[in-house]
Amino acid sequence: GAVVSQHPSRVICKSGTSVKIECRSLDFQATTMFWYRQFPKQSLMLMATSNEGSKATYEQGVEKDKFLINHASLTLSTLTVTSAHPEDSSFYICSVRTGVHEQYFGPGTRLTVT
Amino acid sequence: DQQVKQNSPSLSVQEGRISILNCDYTNSMFDYFLWYKKYPAEGPTFLISISSIKDKNEDGRFTVFLNKSAKHLSLHIVPSQPGDSAVYFCAASGSNFGNEKLTFGTGTRLTIIP
Repeated sequence: GAVVSQHPSRVICKSGTSVKIECRSLDFQATTMFWYRQFPKQSLMLMATSNEGSKATYEQGVEKDKFLINHASLTLSTLTVTSAHPEDSSFYICSVRTGVHEQYFGPGTRLTVT
Repeated sequence: DQQVKQNSPSLSVQEGRISILNCDYTNSMFDYFLWYKKYPAEGPTFLISISSIKDKNEDGRFTVFLNKSAKHLSLHIVPSQPGDSAVYFCAASGSNFGNEKLTFGTGTRLTIIP
């Protein structure tokens, strides 16, 4: 497996500001990380695939200019929510791909936009 | 289009009894399946997985059964313990999809009654 951390665990920001969320793989060299979003009582929805040293691949319907992903090292991927609005309020979770199919998840970040 | 479905949003089971969680999928290209357990405001924790070349995989109290013809899998937990109370997600992946993304079901909230 892999131990994955996220920072911050929760953040409140004002509408129109940007927020950066960090995802760190503490004990595994992560070539691929994933970013998910979960709305209350709903499933995890994949937002994008983050590949070390290259551009992220976004799922259909996810605005790449709004959700900026940077995966500059094998242990760190960041998600920046730009010009956040209340509808961006959600639980954001990252994961580290450790095998062909296996992923280990971080503890999540609760974003609230006021 | 929900490709992975968990039709029971909630399930209550007496402590010590067997918990059976079900999951159905529609995409015949899925060939690997995983179960995750999730507590509120935390990331999912990997429980057990199964490849489509098998019909059963067991790990301690957890057993996953796969019926490919019915496109159905189930997770059995026996005996159920209070600490098993959580939301359980099944997830599916396909080796032909490129980056082996996980598609999650909608989750089943399991409550173990002491």
